[in-house]
Amino acid sequence: GAGVSQSPRYKVAKRGQDVALRCDPISGHVSLFWYQQALGQGPEFLTYFQNEAQLDKSGLPSDRFFAERPEGSVSTLKIQRTQQEDSAVYLCASSLGARDSNQPQHFGDGTRLSIL
Amino acid sequence: GNSVTQMEGPVTLSEEAFLTINCTYTATGYPSLFWYVQYPGEGLQLLLKATKADDKGSNKGFEATYRKETTSFHLEKGSVQVSDSAVYFCALSDRGFKTIFGAGTRLFVKA
Repeated sequence: GAGVSQSPRYKVAKRGQDVALRCDPISGHVSLFWYQQALGQGPEFLTYFQNEAQLDKSGLPSDRFFAERPEGSVSTLKIQRTQQEDSAVYLCASSLGARDSNQPQHFGDGTRLSIL
Repeated sequence: GNSVTQMEGPVTLSEEAFLTINCTYTATGYPSLFWYVQYPGEGLQLLLKATKADDKGSNKGFEATYRKETTSFHLEKGSVQVSDSAVYFCALSDRGFKTIFGAGTRLFVKA
């Protein structure tokens, strides 16, 4: 399809394990965002890429969280030594524009991460 | 810092009722404002947007007007349908490109 694709849809991991979440943005979209959505809450910003450059990572909650977009398309969000408070839905969004805040963001269906 | 506050849900309405979901914001600059909708089992979708004061965004019978004087962006629909049952998120985006979302308002529409 032509939308943002995230995988896996569901991920269950034991506390202390590392996980990797993948995002395939819409082809040609310059901007890519990661959000964390806790149950019953709105998405909270984690990090932003413009092409391959990570321009804002102010929302990453700790140094256990790491994101990359090496070729300016697919992005991976990695969480090391997972903890129970990492359980959430992780959303990826892409946007056509670079510095234009008027561009809408297109969201994937998210990855629901559960840490046991 | 910037923030978005929207009315708590759930909101339960009968079909064809009038809908208002309140949203107010705090921002230092002149943000763009958005309403996103999340249908059951689906991802967030942009419903409508407004980029400057007094702009009215509209889509699928929903409307919201960017009110700078009251820092509000209330969502309205004249006649809701069962298919409108979803979670609605108000959001703002500043020049830093970071989008800030409200907590969401769940809407249930009964037939």
